[in-house]
Amino acid sequence: SPELTQSYSVSVSPGQTARITCSGEALSRQHAHWYQQRPGQAPILVIFKDNERPSGIPERFSGSSSGTTVTLTITGVQAEDEADYFCLSADSSGTYIFGLGTKVTVL
Amino acid sequence: VQLQESGPGLVKSSGTLSLTCAVSGDSISRGDWWSWVRQPPGKELEWIGEIYYTGSANYNPSLKSRFTMSVDKLKNQFSLQVNSVTAADTAKYFCARRSDWQYYFDYWGRGTLVTVSS
Repeated sequence: SPELTQSYSVSVSPGQTARITCSGEALSRQHAHWYQQRPGQAPILVIFKDNERPSGIPERFSGSSSGTTVTLTITGVQAEDEADYFCLSADSSGTYIFGLGTKVTVL
Repeated sequence: VQLQESGPGLVKSSGTLSLTCAVSGDSISRGDWWSWVRQPPGKELEWIGEIYYTGSANYNPSLKSRFTMSVDKLKNQFSLQVNSVTAADTAKYFCARRSDWQYYFDYWGRGTLVTVSS
């Protein structure tokens, strides 16, 4: 079974809010990081250390953490946000682990 | 910073897979860690391991010792070799960078698809 669990898909209309969760025991001890991946493109870091946003990433992307669950929130979704989003963390041995990914569809 | 994977695309079962990641916009000797990550069809990403410019490497302990990474500082690239491949090694292979003081990957390549054929 995967160590980080994500919902399979989320569908939202433009301007609405999309929330994507990532759950796992490792998240109670380690930070989570979020990536956006469009088909055929390199993954892009959108949130690191649970809630920090890299320079150049729009403010509509935010992250939060509570216990063993982290949440990526996209406030005011735009058509260009349609992509797969996956989380990254580390297990107890320091090995990097990933969620399966959540497909965000903008209706 | 750009990373570009290259590889054979198709490898025969029991053979050896060799992949290279060319780095531009950054020196591989600057002091970052360079990783390989793969994603089998329909499955989550799997971290294979990371290497420093000195050659020091860390591997995913859950993987068998069929994986070997190396660095070519002159060509500013790093490589992955996988021995005795099987169908389970069919995946999209990505390379990525991690800064020495952070524990996430800040730059990735687009990935290269490798299929192991019987």
